[in-house]
Amino acid sequence: DAKTTQPPSMDCAEGRAANLPCNHSTISGNEYVYWYRQIHSQGPQYIIHGLKNNETNEMASLIITEDRKSSTLILPHATLRDTAVYYCIVTPSNTGKLIFGQGTTLQVKP
Amino acid sequence: SQTIHQWPATLVQPVGSPLSLECTVEGTSNPNLYWYRQAAGRGLQLLFYSVGIGQISSEVPQNLSASRPQDRQFILSSKKLLLSDSGFYLCAYHDQGLAWPEAFFGQGTRLTVV
Repeated sequence: DAKTTQPPSMDCAEGRAANLPCNHSTISGNEYVYWYRQIHSQGPQYIIHGLKNNETNEMASLIITEDRKSSTLILPHATLRDTAVYYCIVTPSNTGKLIFGQGTTLQVKP
Repeated sequence: SQTIHQWPATLVQPVGSPLSLECTVEGTSNPNLYWYRQAAGRGLQLLFYSVGIGQISSEVPQNLSASRPQDRQFILSSKKLLLSDSGFYLCAYHDQGLAWPEAFFGQGTRLTVV
């Protein structure tokens, strides 16, 4: 079973920030939080990952709470092309063995 | 640069027929390789993974098998397809070095068993 809980769906207006929450209350000390997204009928795409510190890259920001029991993926300026299913996964680093949950379907609307 | 190729993109096969899906990786050596399946309306499920030539681990019991005849080639097979084998099959690789922490996925094969 997936170790994460995400809302099944969210809407966001184009150009606004999309904030996608994830609960991972049973995360272990050696586990990272990874985010992938899957655009319809394509393979998943890596977005970002982190251990305890907040992270930012060209795609998104990841905010991890101090107790590491939850996190938020932030897409600062959502576009229509960001419409996808977003998966939050906790796993030890350096592995491709990923346990996917149902993810959050983000619909970006004009 | 690293790339992953997966084919065919779509496939329609009758029940009881054999299956062979191929995945190849370029630009990296000794990658970890993975086969995932996504049933309609569901999340991805890991089927097999391989850490080297001839080394295959199965994650779930099923009608499928996997083989790794070469370092960067991963094959998913079945002798006799079932209707329940329909789905979206994805190959992925992961660099065993520490340079790239993420997994890279192919574009997938959509299999319909009729």
